[in-house]
Amino acid sequence: AQSVTQLGSHVSVSEGALVLLRCNYSSSVPPYLFWYVQYPNQGLQLLLKYTTGATLVKGINGFEAEFKKSETSFHLTKPSAHMSDAAEYFCALNNDMRFGAGTRLTVKP
Amino acid sequence: NAGVTQTPKFQVLKTGQSMTLQCAQDMNHNSMYWYRQDPGMGLRLIYYSASEGTTDKGEVPNGYNVSRLNKREFSLRLESAAPSQTSVYFCASSVWGQIINEQFFGPGTRLTVL
Repeated sequence: AQSVTQLGSHVSVSEGALVLLRCNYSSSVPPYLFWYVQYPNQGLQLLLKYTTGATLVKGINGFEAEFKKSETSFHLTKPSAHMSDAAEYFCALNNDMRFGAGTRLTVKP
Repeated sequence: NAGVTQTPKFQVLKTGQSMTLQCAQDMNHNSMYWYRQDPGMGLRLIYYSASEGTTDKGEVPNGYNVSRLNKREFSLRLESAAPSQTSVYFCASSVWGQIINEQFFGPGTRLTVL
């Protein structure tokens, strides 16, 4: 069965620290994986996506994610958190429009 | 270019009442979607329309109906609202419903059913 699991509903980091948001998937076909960000009271916006090709994908606002087939993972990272990164982040398996439960990122000054 | 617009932004209904959520996009996209967002559950697909004239059920279609009025507009109807339908509803669109394409989301409708 197709599924997306985000580990950790809430992640808190200090400004300037590494951001790591975890996403694992299950798919019987080659996965197409997306990360979206949702700011308060807004819709979702695309951060980055993996379809085929390079497994390290760079997105907007300094975020990147690495597709690891052997680990069925697509974790999102950013080397240095900024206050403006505070939001909710969703991993999505676009093959059947399935979203993870979301991870709320808090950035402490 | 407004992108994806949704009306209303907020709505309170009583159990058993009906209402229609409206969605429009001005990006000339072919595919449109309705999701509901609930705490701890992420977004779940209710219905989608791959192209004008077609609609298909998603993961949680029970209690809802949809109409693809034209290429721009895709409405979601609750015929007899239930408290379990209290949620935030998002409409989205994409160029085509192909899995490589990103979706563009509206700002959402916050619905409370008493």
